[in-house]
Amino acid sequence: AQSVAQPEDQVNVAEGNPLTVKCTYSVSGNPYLFWYVQYPNRGLQFLLKYITGDNLVKGSYGFEAEFNKSQTSFHLKKPSALVSDSALYFCAVIPYGQNFVFGPGTRLSVLP
Amino acid sequence: DAGVIQSPRHEVTEMGQEVTLRCKPISGHDYLFWYRQTMMRGLELLIYFNNNVPIDDSGMPEDRFSAKMPNASFSTLKIQPSEPRDSAVYFCASSLAQGTEQYFGPGTRLTVT
Repeated sequence: AQSVAQPEDQVNVAEGNPLTVKCTYSVSGNPYLFWYVQYPNRGLQFLLKYITGDNLVKGSYGFEAEFNKSQTSFHLKKPSALVSDSALYFCAVIPYGQNFVFGPGTRLSVLP
Repeated sequence: DAGVIQSPRHEVTEMGQEVTLRCKPISGHDYLFWYRQTMMRGLELLIYFNNNVPIDDSGMPEDRFSAKMPNASFSTLKIQPSEPRDSAVYFCASSLAQGTEQYFGPGTRLTVT
């Protein structure tokens, strides 16, 4: 079965420190991979995607993600966290010929 | 473009009443999706349309739920009769094509008492 795992329900990081939000997937073929962010009382916002090519992709608000095929991972990273980055983050995958499979979400709290 | 538009933003209704949620996708997007988000179950895909045609409604919880897309710029999700367990945030999203990023509306927070 196609699935996306976000092993951490909650990630806490101090402002100015680097952050990582983890995502692993289990799908057949070469999937498309996405990250979304949800701020309180808002819809999900697209951050970045990996389709093919360079394993490191850059997205909005200084975020980037690294695709690792051997580890089937697509971790979200940012070199220096801001308090305003505090939100709910979703990893998603599109298996070939199908629609989005979203992970359960990881709540990021950036502490001042 | 104004993005995906949903109305109402909040809906409070009594058990047994009919509820209609509305969505206007981004112009030119061929795919439209309805999701439900709860603390317990996370984000669930209810149904999606391609060029106004329902493609997969396997996520619709039961016959009380129905969705239509009469034209490329409008879709509705109807719950009749509503029950307290339907309380959730309902999102509409649209995408240009299959396999491309989806753009979400602000959601409708539904409370059924």
